[in-house]
Amino acid sequence: SQQGEEDPQALSIQEGENATMNCSYKTSINNLQWYRQNSGRGLVHLILIRSNEREKHSGRLRVTLDTSKKSSSLLITASRAADTASYFCASGGSNYKLTFGKGTLLTVNP
Amino acid sequence: SQTIHQWPATLVQPVGSPLSLECTVEGTSNPNLYWYRQAAGRGLQLLFYSVGIGQISSEVPQNLSASRPQDRQFILSSKKLLLSDSGFYLCAWSVRHRQRLAITDSYEQYFGPGTRLTVT
Repeated sequence: SQQGEEDPQALSIQEGENATMNCSYKTSINNLQWYRQNSGRGLVHLILIRSNEREKHSGRLRVTLDTSKKSSSLLITASRAADTASYFCASGGSNYKLTFGKGTLLTVNP
Repeated sequence: SQTIHQWPATLVQPVGSPLSLECTVEGTSNPNLYWYRQAAGRGLQLLFYSVGIGQISSEVPQNLSASRPQDRQFILSSKKLLLSDSGFYLCAWSVRHRQRLAITDSYEQYFGPGTRLTVT
């Protein structure tokens, strides 16, 4: 069954604003990953946060993880039109598999 | 550097026809390989994964099968396509780790460009 659930399903903002997406999962994890998908393309890995970490940064990306609430958030600061894409969280356990959510469609208007 | 290829990019097939989608990885050895399907506006559903040649695990019962004839080749097949098989098929690879992953293991997945399959 799908574990990750992103919220909101769709988000529309203006260029320069920050975008925040949330993800919830159901079972214990080793890590939580975020991926990006441009329309009609494959997914691209953005960032991974381990279960013993609370926050991680990579460029304009900031990810937080709250294992007590089984939730994560992805913040994109100073968004650009090129950030328009779908964003997926994926939870990883102790095996090889990732469980993906349904994604958040982010539209950044120029 | 590692690259992953999928072909064809798009495919239109009639109901009842066979299917063969191919995925190959370059620049790495002994990868884990995965097949996903993505329905329109939905997340990814894991169909199959493989940890070695000839080793295939199926995640959901379906009309599809997978094979791994070579270390870096993963094939998705069907003998008779159904309308419900339409979707966007994605292949991915990750580094192979020990059987039970530790918290320090990194296993990001790297995706191919996908195949858009339309069954008519």
